[in-house]
Amino acid sequence: DAGVTQSPTHLIKTRGQQVTLRCSPKSGHDTVSWYQQALGQGPQFIFQYYEEEERQRGNFPDRFSGHQFPNYSSELNVNALLLGDSALYLCASSLEGEGNYGYTFGSGTRLTVV
Amino acid sequence: AQKVTQAQTEISVVEKEDVTLDCVYETRDTTYYLFWYKQPPSGELVFLIRRNSFDEQNEISGRYSWNFQKSTSSFNFTITASQVVDSAVYFCALSEIPDSGGYNKLIFGAGTRLAVHP
Repeated sequence: DAGVTQSPTHLIKTRGQQVTLRCSPKSGHDTVSWYQQALGQGPQFIFQYYEEEERQRGNFPDRFSGHQFPNYSSELNVNALLLGDSALYLCASSLEGEGNYGYTFGSGTRLTVV
Repeated sequence: AQKVTQAQTEISVVEKEDVTLDCVYETRDTTYYLFWYKQPPSGELVFLIRRNSFDEQNEISGRYSWNFQKSTSSFNFTITASQVVDSAVYFCALSEIPDSGGYNKLIFGAGTRLAVHP
């Protein structure tokens, strides 16, 4: 049973560019959350998608946007990249209403902005 | 506002030593979940435990044990007889319990890097 799959694993972008990160949730999961983890810090919540809609958002600017597809997979888009956007981006999936288990996290996409 | 504090940035121990990772949280919610996750060098967060705020019973799982004290807003994690494979970054996290079930966002602490030396 595949867990959460994220692609690409590593990415280098230039300041001002745009980037798209992808996430396939664990089989049977329908909710996807995205987190940003800067070096040496804990993950910070970006947003959560359920039924193809963003239903909760953290304290991130509009440059960060996302999408969830009918097959529950998700994309995270970041526009006008800043050096400070360099981080590990983690995707976590869960099953709405499951109630008894935590999220399943992917291994993340390491984004470097130069 | 919700907040999680892990005051220990790094801990270094020799194999077979016991080690306790501290976690202090702040929340105005009366119902919430507390978590511990392990992050090995590969990057994924590995779920270790979830504790409901209603359940203050301590839990033991093999060499791992957790001490939840609501009176001091602490949820500490102890590894007994540590092993080199325990080396990782450990995160404590807090989440409120939404009315609709499922999980709300996780609020993470800054993490504690544990190095276990042979």
